[in-house]
Amino acid sequence: EAGVTQFPSHSVIEKGQTVTLRCDPISGHDNLYWYRRVMGKEIKFLLHFVKESKQDESGMPNNRFLAERTGGTYSTLKVQPAELEDSGVYFCASSQTMNTEAFFGQGTRLTVV
Amino acid sequence: GQSLEQPSEVTAVEGAIVQINCTYQTSGFYGLSWYQQHDGGAPTFLSYNALDGLEETGRFSSFLSRSDSYGYLLLQELQMKDSASYFCAVRFFSSGSARQLTFGSGTQLTVLP
Repeated sequence: EAGVTQFPSHSVIEKGQTVTLRCDPISGHDNLYWYRRVMGKEIKFLLHFVKESKQDESGMPNNRFLAERTGGTYSTLKVQPAELEDSGVYFCASSQTMNTEAFFGQGTRLTVV
Repeated sequence: GQSLEQPSEVTAVEGAIVQINCTYQTSGFYGLSWYQQHDGGAPTFLSYNALDGLEETGRFSSFLSRSDSYGYLLLQELQMKDSASYFCAVRFFSSGSARQLTFGSGTQLTVLP
């Protein structure tokens, strides 16, 4: 069974540009989460989808970040326009239910220069 | 809000036993999880405690005391491959029924030969 996959693995963009990260959860997992780890600090929660609905987006830093999960399968996280402080590793995770453990993808390392 | 405290670094030798402590402050506490992350890799689930006491899985054990808001991860018979970052994470109720996972800053474990 395929795990959580994220694309791209690395992205280097200039300040002001747009980047879209993609996450494919484990098949059948209704719950999809986005997390971010900046400069070796804690892994911070961004938002949580249940199927195509945003269950909790309290961790989204500002309106430059837009997450979607049309159809309740894969999800995208768009950063527009990107700022230097957006650099970090963006992780996606999925779980079958809210009570079961989440499985993480390898992450996308975003560098904004 | 939620906060977790864990040591930033721990060093030990092969074959030794290491305990990584985690204290937390959160409302709506549901459980404490531990994750392992090797450099550049996905956080990997190790254990989960929802009730007080010790959970043992092979060389790894995890303990929780809800009254003390404290838990630890115990690694026995350390091996070189155990060198990694270890994160404690609290699962708590958020936005009604949603159970969000919030991570600590991670403990970098270095195992020496």
